[in-house]
Amino acid sequence: DAGVIQSPRHEVTEMGQEVTLRCKPISGHNSLFWYRQTMMRGLELLIYFNNNVPIDDSGMPEDRFSAKMPNASFSTLKIQPSEPRDSAVYFCASSGTLVTKNIQYFGAGTRLSVL
Amino acid sequence: DAKTTQPTSMDCAEGRAANLPCNHSTISGNEYVYWYRQIHSQGPQYIIHGLKNNETNEMASLIITEDRKSSTLILPHATLRDTAVYYCIVSHYSGGGADGLTFGKGTHLIIQP
Repeated sequence: DAGVIQSPRHEVTEMGQEVTLRCKPISGHNSLFWYRQTMMRGLELLIYFNNNVPIDDSGMPEDRFSAKMPNASFSTLKIQPSEPRDSAVYFCASSGTLVTKNIQYFGAGTRLSVL
Repeated sequence: DAKTTQPTSMDCAEGRAANLPCNHSTISGNEYVYWYRQIHSQGPQYIIHGLKNNETNEMASLIITEDRKSSTLILPHATLRDTAVYYCIVSHYSGGGADGLTFGKGTHLIIQP
């Protein structure tokens, strides 16, 4: 299995631009998570989905952030418009729940720099 | 989810056992203890988890006290590649779906040659 795949690995953009981060979970997993990591705040949960349905988006910082999961094998996290304070590493994780009891497998992350 | 407390940093000599403590005094009966680690610039990696019994796998052992208010992660023969930030997380699992994890600051474990 290729694991959780995130793209792009690095993104540099200018303030005000739209940014889309992508995630492909491990095949067969039915839960998907988006986290953000900064030096100041550490690792924070942004949103997660069970069976493609958003369960908890209370960690999404503001309306500029949105996440979708149109099917079991793909999710996006969009920031529009982006701001310099959005610069962080964004991780996607997936979990199979029934067998693995909430063991989450993380992707390599997308390092976002907003200038 | 219950809050956890870990030392900020620890050193361990290569080849020795690394024992990482975690306090979770407010843990509830249906909450599991999970350990993850994050090697620099990589995504977090699952290590081990347990409910109330001690657990062992190919990476580590997890010792949970009888009252479940604290636990210790043991890396039996630490190598330089074990240098990482180790996170102790308490999380509820209902069986009906996964929950997000709440990461604290973790313990920065440095393995000394």
